[in-house]
Order: sequence, then C-alpha cells, then structure tokens
Amino acid sequence: DIQMTQSPSSLSASVGDRVTITCRASQTISNYLNWYQHQPGKAPNLLIYAASSLQSGVPSRFSGSGSGTDFTLTISSLQPEDFASYYCQQSYSMPWTFGQGTKVEIK
Amino acid sequence: QVHLVESGGGVVQPGRSLRLSCAASGFSFISYGMHWVRQAPGKGLEWVAVISYDGSDTYYADSVRGRFTISRDISKNTLFLQMNSLTAEDTAVYYCAKDPWRNSRRLDAFDYWGQGTLVTVSA
Repeated sequence: DIQMTQSPSSLSASVGDRVTITCRASQTISNYLNWYQHQPGKAPNLLIYAASSLQSGVPSRFSGSGSGTDFTLTISSLQPEDFASYYCQQSYSMPWTFGQGTKVEIK
Repeated sequence: QVHLVESGGGVVQPGRSLRLSCAASGFSFISYGMHWVRQAPGKGLEWVAVISYDGSDTYYADSVRGRFTISRDISKNTLFLQMNSLTAEDTAVYYCAKDPWRNSRRLDAFDYWGQGTLVTVSA
C-alpha cells in the first residue's frame, strides 16, 4: 500500500495568514493526489483534485501543487471557516490511502 | 444539489452484523461509482469499499475484505454496506461518498460526502 505522510500534524495560525501543508507519498504517484477539508460534525469536502485542480465551488485562496512524491496545499489568506482538518489522498493505486491529517487551529 | 444521508449505525456486539444504508439524491445515481469511507475515533480517514456505477465492479480494503459487502439498489437510489463479523477495530463513523467521474471505472476520489453514521462495536 502507498503510505501518505502529512506535515505538520497540527498548526496554529491567525486569520489572514498564509498556511502551507505538505504531503509525501511513499512512492511516486504522478499527480494522482487529492485534498479534502473536514470540519468536526460535517461532511468532508473535496478541495483539490489531480494535485492542482480546484474543485468547483472551492474558494480560490486554496491551491495545490506538486508531482511525484511531494505535494503542497496552500491557503493564501486563512479565513475563519478554514479552521478544520485537512487530508491528502492518493488516487494512484488501490487501496486509496489518506494522510493522517493536519489540524489547523486558531492562534 | 447532491445529498447523501447515511443510516443504520448503532451499537453492536463483537461478531454480530450490521447493515448501513446511504440514500442519495440530487444527481444521477445510476451514473456514478459510490464509496464507503470510515473514521475511527481520534483517527484519520480510511477508505473501505467502492462499487462502480453499474454495480459490476467492487473493491475492498484488506481490513474488511471477506467480511463487508458493498451493494446498490438503483431503483431506490440507495447504497448499502453489509458488515459481518464485526470487531472493535470496526468502530468508526462511516461515510458514504460519491465518485466524481460519470460512467467511469476510475473510482478514485470523493467529491460529495454524507454526514456519517456511527458504528460502535462493543460487548
């Protein structure tokens, strides 16, 4: 199975901050990488697919980059509704696997 | 508007069975693959199973293969997960999720999710 490792596991940030979350795959996965946001008690939300494509309806402050084994999710200016957990997921080979998550908390 | 509503969770004893349902609306259910994804307490997300849009293909995580069965009823726009031989390690919130790709066998992402249903396996 492909292992996905996110860093950091958690971070504290203020509204307006630029936030970067990284995800590393245990083997090359080309650009088969998706990012999700998950707020407690709510349904998870697809943000980015194919490493850098913004899902319809997702604010443009979210962006993704990377290829091969190393990927990044960036929130350009953190908003109050962005405090949540974020997960990367590889879609290169089954079983689909997720990173352990990054919790973004209010500073 | 896509809407997914899970049901059927609850407390069950180890070794027993449970059947989860996911009622889908707001999209052409017959045209999209559907997944189950779970999250154990305090843990991350774990993909469980997927069924293709036409029901002909199913795939499972190793942790549930042989115990869980995913199925769908097109006439009722409903997805199911039959869970047998449950163990404490199956305790989790179970989410159903829609695959993004219409009439495709890619079955590799999750663009809409339900709110989840909690399954607790305990004596």
